Amino acid sequence: DTAVSQTPKYLVTQMGNDKSIKCEQNLGHDTMYWYKQDSKKFLKIMFSYNNKELIINETVPNRFSPKSPDKAHLNLHINSLELGDSAVYFCASSQVSTEAFFGQGTRLTVV
Amino acid sequence: GQQVMQIPQYQHVQEGEDFTTYCNSSTTLSNIQWYKQRPGGHPVFLIQLVKSGEVKKQKRLTFQFGEAKKNSSLHITATQTTDVGTYFCAKGSSNTGKLIFGQGTTLQVKP
Repeated sequence: DTAVSQTPKYLVTQMGNDKSIKCEQNLGHDTMYWYKQDSKKFLKIMFSYNNKELIINETVPNRFSPKSPDKAHLNLHINSLELGDSAVYFCASSQVSTEAFFGQGTRLTVV
Repeated sequence: GQQVMQIPQYQHVQEGEDFTTYCNSSTTLSNIQWYKQRPGGHPVFLIQLVKSGEVKKQKRLTFQFGEAKKNSSLHITATQTTDVGTYFCAKGSSNTGKLIFGQGTTLQVKP
């Protein structure tokens, strides 16, 4: 059983397209996150949801819109993709102040 | 203000040699977590340190938290090829679960 699963694993798309990444966790955690890892491996938080409510939005462009239909799911929709959006996007979940569990990552390539 | 500085960025060692990565913060940390990311993989939690001066060991890995709770280190004794990967420290938030990651140290081990 995969604790945090995200799909797709790879995503290649053209500039200007809209795409979504899905994430689900079966750990019963209250909090879910999206992190972006750039080509230099730097990991930066984008969003955090606690029980379906947005609690962190780290100055991410409006083209990125997270949606949490329930506390086990956190999806990420990206509009009008740009070359600079190419990165690996990780979903994660945790209970506050404890270890985070990461999904396998989605490698997004915008061409 | 919220950054966590991690050095070195890269380390190449011969198998059997020791390895250390260091994290520093300008502000007091409520806790610090360590993660390992294998090439092509996702971050995997190693440990969390909470108390001033805390030292924890996991087999060949030794984690330390400074007395002032502003720095931490991970030391690997007698590296093996299975230790290859990028090691991240991360500053944890006590109320949101948000992680602020250091830049990571990528370890290469020559057999």
